[in-house]
Amino acid sequence: QSVLTQPPSVSGAPGQTVTLSCTGSTSNIGAPYDVHWYQQRPGTAPKLLIYGNVNRPSGVPDRFSGSKSGTSASLAISGLQADDEADYYCQSYDNRLSGSRVFGTGTRVTV
Amino acid sequence: EVQLVESGGNLVQPGGSLRLSCLISGFPSNAYSMVWVRQAPGKGLDWISYIDAHSITMYYADSVKGRFTISRDNAKNSLYLEMTSLRPEDTGVYYCARDPGGFSSGWSDYWGQGTLVTVSS
Repeated sequence: QSVLTQPPSVSGAPGQTVTLSCTGSTSNIGAPYDVHWYQQRPGTAPKLLIYGNVNRPSGVPDRFSGSKSGTSASLAISGLQADDEADYYCQSYDNRLSGSRVFGTGTRVTV
Repeated sequence: EVQLVESGGNLVQPGGSLRLSCLISGFPSNAYSMVWVRQAPGKGLDWISYIDAHSITMYYADSVKGRFTISRDNAKNSLYLEMTSLRPEDTGVYYCARDPGGFSSGWSDYWGQGTLVTVSS
């Protein structure tokens, strides 16, 4: 059972903007530990989208943007394209017990 | 070009053992930490283990602690995951990934294609 909660699904029309949430607590996102985001298309490996809350790796379009506030983080996808249909996961660190990397529950984006 | 290629996945009976490998190329393997991440069929991502660049520090998820062992051989550009006392809930695709940050702040920037482990009688 993940400690980072994401909505199961989000949908939008081509060209629209959708925002995905990632809700944690004071032992992870609010501690504060950085949040990172991954995109996973069906049948493929995850791909890094955002690291360190707001940074895009080389090659990731600026249509993808990350933010963080308090115990939550968000990923915004603007100018939605058919190619954006995928599962999206947030990831952070949780300092309870011996500490652990944690992933969110994942959000399926439908265009 | 960074490449990570996993191998070793197979069908194994409950209680059995398996060793996964990840062959690293395209970057100096002794310069980066590495992680293993699991994905059960139709489910989300599940972090399993972390090892730093020089095998000084290793971390494990509670679900595998005491049963799985992560290791690496930088001379062979390889990462390993030794899995024992396997359970049906260990079934899934296992990914290795490069980890440029520290354990508490880090992320995974390159991923392999994954190798499937099935634990079933």
